[in-house]
Amino acid sequence: GAVVSQHPSRVICKSGTSVKIECRSLDFQATTMFWYRQFPKKSLMLMATSNEGSKATYEQGVEKDKFLINHASLTLSTLTVTSAHPEDSSFYICSAPPGGDSSTGYTFGSGTRLTVV
Amino acid sequence: GENVEQHPSTLSVQEGDSAVIKCTYSDSASNYFPWYKQELGKRPQLIIDIRSNVGEKKDQRIAVTLNKTAKHFSLHITETQPEDSAVYFCAASRTYGNKLVFGAGTILRVKS
Repeated sequence: GAVVSQHPSRVICKSGTSVKIECRSLDFQATTMFWYRQFPKKSLMLMATSNEGSKATYEQGVEKDKFLINHASLTLSTLTVTSAHPEDSSFYICSAPPGGDSSTGYTFGSGTRLTVV
Repeated sequence: GENVEQHPSTLSVQEGDSAVIKCTYSDSASNYFPWYKQELGKRPQLIIDIRSNVGEKKDQRIAVTLNKTAKHFSLHITETQPEDSAVYFCAASRTYGNKLVFGAGTILRVKS
């Protein structure tokens, strides 16, 4: 089935630095990728939707200058947390929508645990 | 925009009993309703879904019911087992393939 590979799985960074998270669709083309963040014991909150070849669509309240989303190709979408602070520590997860045959469902990456110290 | 409310936030049942989790949604245009199971630190896994042209769907011990008039849908797990213990999320979307809006989640504990 469809697979989205997300890297890194865990990252610890210092305050003020930037972190890039990658999501690659391994055996299909993903023209769209949804990016979520999840705080401990909380729900998945949609941050933005990336679209290949165009600007990402951000949800209300999400700082687009802080969470840079790029969809450079049909198989790669990235989220860069810029000037990270401890409050950005969270679980970030990407999800590709179902493919053309509608049988694969939404495909989630394995998630990235970001800790900002 | 869409708002999905989920109850209860925690649910403890005895092994073999049934568990029911309920969600309500606000956007009457939503027509795709999946349920996910998530274990700690893992990606969500789809366990069952339903679309607005269907009122009920069943897959072995798991069933989902949808009431479009009342804008609510429920997950039913029968004959619960310890391995059913996890966090369950409902979600809603305007169309299959569009962005998912998730409920707050339910921690299910099955006691053996």
